[in-house]
Amino acid sequence: NAGVMQNPRHLVRRRGQEARLRCSPMKGHSHVYWYRQLPEEGLKFMVYLQKENIIDESGMPKERFSAEFPKEGPSILRIQQVVRGDSAAYFCASSPLAGVTDTQYFGPGTRLTVL
Amino acid sequence: QQQVKQSPQSLIVQKGGISIINCAYENTAFDYFPWYQQFPGKGPALLIAIRPDVSEKKEGRFTISFNKSAKQFSLHIMDSQPGDSATYFCAASKGSQGNLIFGKGTKLSVKP
Repeated sequence: NAGVMQNPRHLVRRRGQEARLRCSPMKGHSHVYWYRQLPEEGLKFMVYLQKENIIDESGMPKERFSAEFPKEGPSILRIQQVVRGDSAAYFCASSPLAGVTDTQYFGPGTRLTVL
Repeated sequence: QQQVKQSPQSLIVQKGGISIINCAYENTAFDYFPWYQQFPGKGPALLIAIRPDVSEKKEGRFTISFNKSAKQFSLHIMDSQPGDSATYFCAASKGSQGNLIFGKGTKLSVKP
């Protein structure tokens, strides 16, 4: 059973460009969480999604950031018009069906560098 | 407002020693407390977790001690090994919400 997959692992963008980060949850998992980790910091929650629904986006900046988890395909975290402050590691986690939503399994992360 | 405070920021332990990392939380609604281990360039991996209905949980060399009245919990790593050298994060969540609130991490270095 493959773990949580994220791609790309490394992404370099210039200021003003768009960044798209993809996350494929573990097989059988329908809950996806996105976290951001700044250097030497802990992870900060951004958004929680289930298939086709955003459950909690309280940690996501109101502008430039969006997330989706379509019926088919991976979850996407999209950052428009990136700025240097967006440089960070972005981690996706998944958990099983409702009732066991607290055990989160993390992917390897996407390290975004904004030049 | 930092809801989960973790200490120390860094820790050096000799091989075979006991590593102790502490966390304190503020929100009494938290009901799930996991510890994650992260190696450089990797994602966090769940190590061990506890719920507030028990005061201690042990899995191999790793033990969580939980003090509900003090709103504190700690990770003990017995017989620490160089392979345990990593960054450890405590976290907390409310079961109804699911998103984890993380501490800032402790960088553990186990010297041979």
